[in-house]
Amino acid sequence: DAMVIQNPRYQVTQFGKPVTLSCSQTLNHNVMYWYQQKSSQAPKLLFHYYDKDFNNEADTPDNFQSRRPNTSFCFLDIRSPGLGDAAMYLCATSEGGRSYGYTFGSGTRLTVV
Amino acid sequence: AQTVTQSQPEMSVQEAETVTLSCTYDTSESDYYLFWYKQPPSRQMILVIRQEAYKQQNATENRFSVNFQKAAKSFSLKISDSQLGDAAMYFCAYYDSNYQLIWGAGTKLIIKP
Repeated sequence: DAMVIQNPRYQVTQFGKPVTLSCSQTLNHNVMYWYQQKSSQAPKLLFHYYDKDFNNEADTPDNFQSRRPNTSFCFLDIRSPGLGDAAMYLCATSEGGRSYGYTFGSGTRLTVV
Repeated sequence: AQTVTQSQPEMSVQEAETVTLSCTYDTSESDYYLFWYKQPPSRQMILVIRQEAYKQQNATENRFSVNFQKAAKSFSLKISDSQLGDAAMYFCAYYDSNYQLIWGAGTKLIIKP
């Protein structure tokens, strides 16, 4: 089945130690998104790619970076994780049209110790 | 800018009963899409139902239906014959012209056995 896959499902990292979260998709969707979600809150958009065009939300901290080497893969890099970065990170894709919404991965829960 | 408001932080319903989750939004666009997403605890965000604004007919997916009132900018979700598996956070979302979802704050739905 076509899907969005996030690895790992759970990630524990040390305070200040760089960490990378990955997302892959078999849907061939143009647009990929990274969201941060804290407990029982709505997801907060960090970045999105329309094909290779990178779009950074104005309030996304510089500590967060992203890479999309090809259509299928997208990475979220947190350069120096702080305790406040502990959250669920959601990857999503869309076709770029407005009718079908997003397809989400299962998320990566990041713990910072 | 578009906004989405979910005024019920939490709702509870007896199993097999019907519950309605409220959502209002604000926009100056005439053509747009609205979505309800479901996020069970520690599980994937999934699309429940979508509504195209230019369609007057309310969308229905099995036990899930919407009451879309375009003039009132209201988009409520009705869940009939509630089941234990319906327990989740429900997010209302507006898909804007920049292909981004504008999220409501979410409603936690509790199903009482």
